[in-house]
Parts: sequence; C-alpha cells; structure tokens
Amino acid sequence: SYELTQPPSVPVSPGQTASITCSGDKLGDKYVTWYQQRPGQSPVVVIYQDNKRPSGIPERFSGSNSGNTATLTISGTQPMDEADYYCQAWDISTCVFGTGTELTVL
Amino acid sequence: QITLKESGPTLVKPTETLTLTCTFSGFSLFSSGVGVGWIRQPPGKALEWLALVYWNGDKRYSPSLRSSLTITKDTSQNQVALTMTNMDPVDTATYYCAHYLKAEQIFEHWGQGTLVTVSS
Repeated sequence: SYELTQPPSVPVSPGQTASITCSGDKLGDKYVTWYQQRPGQSPVVVIYQDNKRPSGIPERFSGSNSGNTATLTISGTQPMDEADYYCQAWDISTCVFGTGTELTVL
Repeated sequence: QITLKESGPTLVKPTETLTLTCTFSGFSLFSSGVGVGWIRQPPGKALEWLALVYWNGDKRYSPSLRSSLTITKDTSQNQVALTMTNMDPVDTATYYCAHYLKAEQIFEHWGQGTLVTVSS
C-alpha cells in the first residue's frame, strides 16, 4: 500500500522559516494537499494542488512537490502556526494521509 | 456557508456494527464534482481515510477496511452514512465527515468530529 512519511516533529523559532517534508514513491506525479490541525480542532486546508493557497490562508504558507518529496514551508512562523500538519495525496483510487508532523514554535 | 455534523453512538461494544450519519448544509450532492468522505483519527494518532461517495454515486473505500465499510448517500436529505461492521477497540477514534471537491482533490470543509469508543 502507498505510504506518505513525515517527520514526527519540527521545531522552529518565532519569525523563522519552518519546512515540513512529506515523502512517497513518485509523489511528484501526484497532487499534494496540506492540512493544519490545531489541538482539539478539525483539519483545515492550507495548501492544495502542491502550491495553491485557499482564500484566507496567509501568504507565509507555501508548498512545493518534486520527485519523491513534497514540502510545506511556513515563512516568518508565528505562535499561532503551532499545530499538527498532514500531507495527503491520492494513489489511484485510494486517499492517503501522511504520518503527521507536530510543529512546535519555541 | 458549508457545515457538516456527525452523529451516532459514542460507545459501541466489540463485534457490534457502527453506523454514523453526516448531515450537511450549504452544498448539494446533486452538484457535479462534489463528494462526502469519512476520515478517522485515533486519540493522539494520525488521520486515516475511510471512504468517499461522489455526487454520481461512485464510491471509494480504504483497501485495508473495504470488507467492513459501507458508505451510502441520501441526496434529498443531505445525509451520508457510514457503516462499519465488527468493531474492535482499535477502532476507537474521532470520526470526521468532510466535504470533498474532486477537481481540487481536497477535503475542503470538515465536521467537528465525533468520538466513538469501542469497549465492553
């Protein structure tokens, strides 16, 4: 079965840039969506189709996808960005979520 | 404004069948390109996709759970149901339903989730 692997945790200082990776076989051939999930809340889309931002999502969120790795980048990270982040892609007719990354803003 | 809300039992016994209902508003499953999916999240763990039903009746299931899942839609009632048979304690999780857009391939709007505990 298809798997998407993320680092369990990523620490970042306020104002710095955070990068969260998502790895999967030939992931660059698929569209990747990134979800943010704050504690006790439902997930929210922050990036879709690799690099598009939904309305209302700050410009500091960006994405890229090439080869076997997709990356979510948060520039000028703010304390409110502290959350769990999940990548997601479709493998033929199966939806797959990544293992999840806890972003800690120290 | 799109909203979704999950409903169903909060406690089920091992081997029992779970049925959850997602009641939504702000969109219609008559609309082309729209779907409703189910995703679960065990406490402290990652999201896991379960099933998806499209506006045209097509259905998709997680391969690992296909034999125990059934997703159905009642378009006129704006409801989607998920049935999971032979529940086990490992199925304890928060179950979410979500509005899906096929063109963008995203679960755009999510319900608040409902915690289902499997215990005797």
